[in-house]
Amino acid sequence: AQTVTQSQPEMSVQEAETVTLSCTYDTSENNYYLFWYKQPPSRQMILVIRQEAYKQQNATENRFSVNFQKAAKSFSLKISDSQLGDTAMYFCAFMKHGRVRFGAGTRLTVKP
Amino acid sequence: DAGVIQSPRHEVTEMGQEVTLRCKPISGHNSLFWYRQTMMRGLELLIYFNNNVPIDDSGMPEDRFSAKMPNASFSTLKIQPSEPRDSAVYFCASSLGFVSVLAKNIQYFGAGTRLSVL
Repeated sequence: AQTVTQSQPEMSVQEAETVTLSCTYDTSENNYYLFWYKQPPSRQMILVIRQEAYKQQNATENRFSVNFQKAAKSFSLKISDSQLGDTAMYFCAFMKHGRVRFGAGTRLTVKP
Repeated sequence: DAGVIQSPRHEVTEMGQEVTLRCKPISGHNSLFWYRQTMMRGLELLIYFNNNVPIDDSGMPEDRFSAKMPNASFSTLKIQPSEPRDSAVYFCASSLGFVSVLAKNIQYFGAGTRLSVL
């Protein structure tokens, strides 16, 4: 069974700084998807970024980028130029054949 | 598109009562997922449907939980009888596909229903 581990329950960063959230996963599969979801206080889950395992190039979405290390089964999220609106829970997720496994989440606080 | 729509946003009920959560997926999506989020267990997949058919309900905690998808635009998650430990946020998500890893099968989540069972 696939497991997803987020080892940082809470993190904080100063506004405009850069922060990296860690995620590791365990799978024997070769092709799969990885995601980062953001859950602000409104509780709605928002897709931040996705990565296909067969792509070596790291995905980037504006201020958000990932460092995907397939051999190490690591999928970290880097947030550049942090903004107050980035304050939220961030969930790492693994998906294969429609089934999704989520990490426990990292609570990120951006301080002014 | 309005996205995945869940109702109600908040539900407060007493132990033993029946609770029904509703979900309208994004039009055209053929896969629908129900999740439960608690502080203790995080986000758990309860059940998912493909083309209105339940594919995997192994995440459903017990017989008190049931889910239906009578048509492509509507699904319900029912708890009968409800218990205080069922208190959680329940999310519904939909996607265009789910079988092929190469499909555009990103899951889009609804805003969730916060359930409190007293």
